[in-house]
Amino acid sequence: EPEVTQTPSHQVTQMGQEVILRCVPISNHLYFYWYRQILGQKVEFLVSFYNNEISEKSEIFDDQFSVERPDGSNFTLKIRSTKLEDSAMYFCASGSGRETQYFGPGTRLLVL
Amino acid sequence: LAKTTQPISMDSYEGQEVNITCSHNNIATNDYITWYQQFPSQGPRFIIQGYKTKVTNEVASLFIPADRKSSTLSLPRVSLSDTAVYYCLVGGGYNKLIFGAGTRLAVHP
Repeated sequence: EPEVTQTPSHQVTQMGQEVILRCVPISNHLYFYWYRQILGQKVEFLVSFYNNEISEKSEIFDDQFSVERPDGSNFTLKIRSTKLEDSAMYFCASGSGRETQYFGPGTRLLVL
Repeated sequence: LAKTTQPISMDSYEGQEVNITCSHNNIATNDYITWYQQFPSQGPRFIIQGYKTKVTNEVASLFIPADRKSSTLSLPRVSLSDTAVYYCLVGGGYNKLIFGAGTRLAVHP
């Protein structure tokens, strides 16, 4: 069964450093998403991406965040200058646009 | 996107059937109803999706009344491994998903 994969599974970084979280969506999906979940809180939408551009973003997704689909398979989330409050699980999801979204296992980001 | 309301927590025992009801009074005509399961430190896992009446797959059933203002996820014969948070969401297609707090199901031996 096809699935969304994410790397790394865990990332520890110092405040102010840049991080790149990587995702490989399901191969025939066209819509891509990033969500995050701070420990003990709800899953929050960050950004959606379609046809090589952002289709929607939340208030959380400020100028420190960017997304890219550098090739035909990867979908990345970059945080330019991490803050302590960026510590969370980051989930990538993909969908065909007709049904539901399928989530990856997540990357646990810890900012020290 | 329609807001959903579901119980904060539920308890059950192994082998029992669990029904989790979600209300979504403001569901739009083109909205689907989707349920996800989430274990600690894992991504939400798709369980089932429906538009109206009843949908069944290998893990669950979803009952949707004619007015579609609520839905019930039914888990037959739960086991300890079904202990998780269950989310009811409405929307569909390519739209973002808005998660609530979900229902924390605890299955006891």
